[in-house]
Amino acid sequence: QSALTQPASVSGSSGQSITISCTGTSSDVGGYNFVSWYQQHPGNAPKLMIYEVTNRPSGVCNRFSGSKSGNTATLTISGLQAEDEADYYCNSYTSSSTLVFGTGTKVTVL
Amino acid sequence: QVQLQQWGAGLLKPSETLSLTCAVYGGSFSGYYWSWIRQPPGKGLEWIGEINDSGGANYNPSLKSRVTISVDTSKNQFSLNLTSVTAADTAVYYCARGSYSYNAMDVWGQGTTVTVSS
Repeated sequence: QSALTQPASVSGSSGQSITISCTGTSSDVGGYNFVSWYQQHPGNAPKLMIYEVTNRPSGVCNRFSGSKSGNTATLTISGLQAEDEADYYCNSYTSSSTLVFGTGTKVTVL
Repeated sequence: QVQLQQWGAGLLKPSETLSLTCAVYGGSFSGYYWSWIRQPPGKGLEWIGEINDSGGANYNPSLKSRVTISVDTSKNQFSLNLTSVTAADTAVYYCARGSYSYNAMDVWGQGTTVTVSS
């Protein structure tokens, strides 16, 4: 199975909004609403930020939101803050009953 | 507060078998699925596989021939075995809890660094 495609890096100034895309196929992202997003700071384990495309777990800031159109899911971070600087990974269920991660995106706060 | 504590050998020689165990503390073992994920140095996350509390497992097709994930419900533990390791298997290995409510992995272990070197 091929990794989902994400931009290698995205940057924005403090207070701005940024988006991270996650492109797959109709056999994964496009076929199911089981897309999740994870934030990973250096040296730490990933943290769940969004599940089932649009939902935030309890305790996750509402500046994080998710959406999907066709085979592409998108994570939006509004009001970018210094602590948002991290790597972000999307993940999707697939038609083979497996999971696949995206290639990862490094977010830089300018 | 659910916590996952993982352990296993950190240094292996090529052709040896990688074995890691993850224990679940402070929460139920049943009603969830249990996953392993790895991250090579400087690279992205790779899903290895998962098992439910009944023992049903799914694996990454690229690793399926070498991977076994098992569960010991009496100890609230699950384990990863990866045979015939090579340098390409050098990575930080994470265990994680999969939630059917979220259809996502909501609790993660601390990670174990595994190095394969002769």
